[in-house]
Amino acid sequence: KQEVTQIPAALSVPEGENLVLNCSFTDSAIYNLQWFRQDPGKGLTSLLLIQSSQREQTSGRLNASLDKSSGRSTLYIAASQPGDSATYLCAVRGPSNTGKLIFGQGTTLQVKP
Amino acid sequence: SAVISQKPSRDICQRGTSLTIQCQVDSQVTMMFWYRQQPGQSLTLIATANQGSEATYESGFVIDKFPISRPNLTFSTLTVSNMSPEDSSIYLCSARVTSGQSTDTQYFGPGTRLTVL
Repeated sequence: KQEVTQIPAALSVPEGENLVLNCSFTDSAIYNLQWFRQDPGKGLTSLLLIQSSQREQTSGRLNASLDKSSGRSTLYIAASQPGDSATYLCAVRGPSNTGKLIFGQGTTLQVKP
Repeated sequence: SAVISQKPSRDICQRGTSLTIQCQVDSQVTMMFWYRQQPGQSLTLIATANQGSEATYESGFVIDKFPISRPNLTFSTLTVSNMSPEDSSIYLCSARVTSGQSTDTQYFGPGTRLTVL
């Protein structure tokens, strides 16, 4: 049974700092991995999708990497801003494209001005 | 991409009543899903809404409690029946894009925040 873990559960950083959020999964047979952002009381916003054959994806200040063999993904946020404050969720789909998304518990990020 | 809207955005309901949540996607999608997010928790899949056939429910969720309709490729409803305070959660509609530049990306609606008294 696939399990997804995100560490740390919460993180507080000063504005401008570069930071890394971690996601690990127990079964390396994944189809893809997706990072989401959730603002309090809101739905999820898709940030990046990495297919199992890819190593990383970039969008603006965000860079997500995937190491399938070790069961890890990281989300790198450059030059953090107070507007980045939110909960970041990692989810994996597998083993095939018909698999359901399995979510981690999320990392709640606070960026202080 | 897909833009998903939900109605209502929030509701406060009495125990024993039912609430139907509507989900509209701005494009035709093959796969739609309903999730529940209990306070302080991550997302749990309730069911896959299948167009033209009965929904596929995950373990722990049953059709009598969470009936789902999917009349076409852009719309679905989830009903939370005979509600109890334990049903207080955010309910999220989701759709997976299976063609174009955003293939395989799953999108979510803004959620419906339900409080049962």
